Amino acid sequence: GENVEQHPSTLSVQEGDSAVIKCTYSDSASNYFPWYKQELGKRPQLIIDIRSNVGEKKDQRIAVTLNKTAKHFSLHITETQPEDSAVYFCAASIIVGGNDMRFGAGTRLTVKP
Amino acid sequence: NAGVMQNPRHLVRRRGQEARLRCSPMKGHSHVYWYRQLPEEGLKFMVYLQKENIIDESGMPKERFSAEFPKEGPSILRIQQVVRGDSAAYFCASSLVDSAETQYFGPGTRLLVL
Repeated sequence: GENVEQHPSTLSVQEGDSAVIKCTYSDSASNYFPWYKQELGKRPQLIIDIRSNVGEKKDQRIAVTLNKTAKHFSLHITETQPEDSAVYFCAASIIVGGNDMRFGAGTRLTVKP
Repeated sequence: NAGVMQNPRHLVRRRGQEARLRCSPMKGHSHVYWYRQLPEEGLKFMVYLQKENIIDESGMPKERFSAEFPKEGPSILRIQQVVRGDSAAYFCASSLVDSAETQYFGPGTRLLVL
């Protein structure tokens, strides 16, 4: 089955700096890669996703890049703010909403004011 | 348009008791997924259900855990004879039939076993 690895496990940046979180996946058939943000004690919230037919997607300060050949994808947050502090999870699945979706272990991002 | 609902939000049980966790998917969604999140860890897939069918339970412990999604009513995750190691946050998510949408998560049930 799919195996998703995520790095780093913790990341601390100064407010205004950029943050990059990287994930690799094992199943070359995977086509859908969502990112979730989970604030302390709350539910995971989808923040951005990318499908395999594109290499990059941006939404304001958040961008995701995908390299299907290398089987890795990354989350980029620019101009970080303290409210970006949370745990971020990447995931991969063959189809959108598929039960084969598997999550990375998470990255705890801390943005220092 | 209500999102995924879970109850209770917090549940305290003593060792050996039963825990029943409920999940009502978003309106129109007929696929439900349960995940377990241990403290300081990621989300681990447990089971995937459609109405009246368990599609994939490969992530469920073989004993004490069961899940159902009846024709009417919420999906239930049932844990019998709970042990301390069952203490975790349990999230359910739902998606559409023949999904073109991703999974949307409920607020979770935080189970504490004393």
